[in-house]
Amino acid sequence: QSALNQPPSVSGSPGQSVTISCTGTSSDVGSYNRVSWYQQPPGTAPKVMIYDVSNRPSGVPDRFSGSKSGNTASLTISGLQAEDEADYYCCSYTSTSIYVFGTGTKVTVL
Amino acid sequence: QVQLVQSGAEVKKPGASVKISCKTSGYTFTNYYMHWMRQAPGQGLEWMGIIYSGGGTSYPQNFQGRVTMTRDTSTSTVYMELSSLRSEDTAIYYCAREPHSGAYYFDYWGQGTLVTVSS
Repeated sequence: QSALNQPPSVSGSPGQSVTISCTGTSSDVGSYNRVSWYQQPPGTAPKVMIYDVSNRPSGVPDRFSGSKSGNTASLTISGLQAEDEADYYCCSYTSTSIYVFGTGTKVTVL
Repeated sequence: QVQLVQSGAEVKKPGASVKISCKTSGYTFTNYYMHWMRQAPGQGLEWMGIIYSGGGTSYPQNFQGRVTMTRDTSTSTVYMELSSLRSEDTAIYYCAREPHSGAYYFDYWGQGTLVTVSS
């Protein structure tokens, strides 16, 4: 099972919006609404930001939103803030009952 | 509050085994699934398997035969043992809880355990 494909980096100025794509296949992202997103600042453990494509856990700002179309899921950060600078990973459940993560995207706040 | 506290860093030689612990607190241990992931230096996350609330396990094919996940309900601790270590196994290893059965995501994570494999 190959890793889901994410852009290596995205950047934006404070207040702007950025979107991170996560492209898989019909065996993972395309088959299930079981896509989650994790934020990982340097040297820390990942933190869930979105689950089931578009649901936010309690405590996650509503600036973070998720969506999916076909085999591609997306995470959008609106009103970018300095504290959003981190690595972001998508994750999907798959048709072979395993989990596959994305390649990761570094978000830089200019 | 929910806490997952992992054991400390390990240095192992190629061919050896490593066993990492993840001690949990703040919730009913036997009601939740636990997953293990790893992250090689500068790389992305990789799923290593799951131990279910009843103690059963499931591992992806690339770890079959090398990884064993166990638990001790008396201490609310889960363990992950990886054998036949090679340099490519150098990574930070994380335990992570699935918030309820069939949630398909991970809500609490351990702090990570660095395993270095070097001769």
